[in-house]
Amino acid sequence: QQQVKQSPQSLIVQKGGIPIINCAYENTAFDYFPWYQQFPGKGPALLIAIRPDVSEKKEGRFTISFNKSAKQFSLHIMDSQPGDSATYFCAASNGGSTLGRLYFGRGTQLTVWP
Amino acid sequence: KAGVTQTPRYLIKTRGQQVTLSCSPISGHRSVSWYQQTPGQGLQFLFEYFSETQRNKGNFPGRFSGRQFSNSRSEMNVSTLELGDSALYLCASSLDLDTEKLFFGSGTQLSVL
Repeated sequence: QQQVKQSPQSLIVQKGGIPIINCAYENTAFDYFPWYQQFPGKGPALLIAIRPDVSEKKEGRFTISFNKSAKQFSLHIMDSQPGDSATYFCAASNGGSTLGRLYFGRGTQLTVWP
Repeated sequence: KAGVTQTPRYLIKTRGQQVTLSCSPISGHRSVSWYQQTPGQGLQFLFEYFSETQRNKGNFPGRFSGRQFSNSRSEMNVSTLELGDSALYLCASSLDLDTEKLFFGSGTQLSVL
């Protein structure tokens, strides 16, 4: 059973566009929601993360929007660049001493055309 | 500061064999987690170690095991390999058990023939 559902599976945008990746979860015990970026041949790298006490977090061109009542969160990439082409994973964890145990979405392969 | 180091980078084994993968966390990091990544199932949690003790375990059969040494280095072992064990095995380290930021290695790509 997939604890975190991610969509779309793939996304193609032009340079400067704003790709949006969506995730949904069911477990209300989740209280930490990170996004990871993975390039081919590399492990995932933490991009940005949010906790449920805020509805939005921005770091550079990356923004997480969080809707606690809907149990959904999304990643927006402003002014996307070809270098942003990668696979993006949302994840969730229960926090505390189980932070190392992340439940990942299936991933979104983003392609940004120049 | 060196990142998470996983060895070997690639491994080819045959069904029924066993394999041991190694992970050296970032210096000073004491918690190590292991994940399996496949195209079909995505990223799935295997187990987490802290202070040489397994703290959390995912939903994998007993053929998958691991351990952590006193220097925080970790190994995972898969016995009686099956074709379905072909995957990228990722190790991640964090400073402590309750530290949010996980740093992943580049993984070991295991192919079972």
